[in-house]
Amino acid sequence: RKEVEQDPGPFNVPEGATVAFNCTYSNSASQSFFWYRQDCRKEPKLLMSVYSSGNEDGRFTAQLNRASQYISLLIRDSKLSDSATYLCAVNWETGANNLFFGTGTRLTVIP
Amino acid sequence: DADVTQTPRNRITKTGKRIMLECSQTKGHDRMYWYRQDPGLGLRLIYYSFDVKDINKGEISDGYSVSRQAQAKFSLSLESAIPNQTALYFCATMGGPAEQFFGPGTRLTVL
Repeated sequence: RKEVEQDPGPFNVPEGATVAFNCTYSNSASQSFFWYRQDCRKEPKLLMSVYSSGNEDGRFTAQLNRASQYISLLIRDSKLSDSATYLCAVNWETGANNLFFGTGTRLTVIP
Repeated sequence: DADVTQTPRNRITKTGKRIMLECSQTKGHDRMYWYRQDPGLGLRLIYYSFDVKDINKGEISDGYSVSRQAQAKFSLSLESAIPNQTALYFCATMGGPAEQFFGPGTRLTVL
């Protein structure tokens, strides 16, 4: 089983729609959680960290469910510019303290 | 100027050739990483380094070697390139807590 799993999509949604992605992780000792955005042929860039209490940044809301071991990303009022691949990443701060990435979920926002 | 730079950005080479990919960072981070990204497989860790004297193998280190020449420089070598090493390669640094900063990537094609 992979440490981090995501639905690869693609998700094709109309402008203005609300879309949500989930990401499950296998290690219950995971401590830090992130969502990254990756545009085609570009590097991943941090979109937002995910805090235990949930957090919001404009149209983006990230939530953590430790009991079920998943994190989610909700995008409201989708824009064409939101089209990208969204990667979740998890770190369990033991051993090498590295990040484990999901394979990414591709989103296309359609006019 | 970019905080994490990679050279070359694109490279086409032939099977059996030795290739070096270079990474430099100005973020002052001790931790540096090399990943490769393949469609459907996400980011896979090749090697990582916590400081100049510390080098560690990642998930897929076979066929690769690295050198940490200074805190700011971390290079990846393919001693004898093979076609299945065709991929997008990313260098990254890690700040705290666990946030990674990626270089722009090197697209490597092995014929």
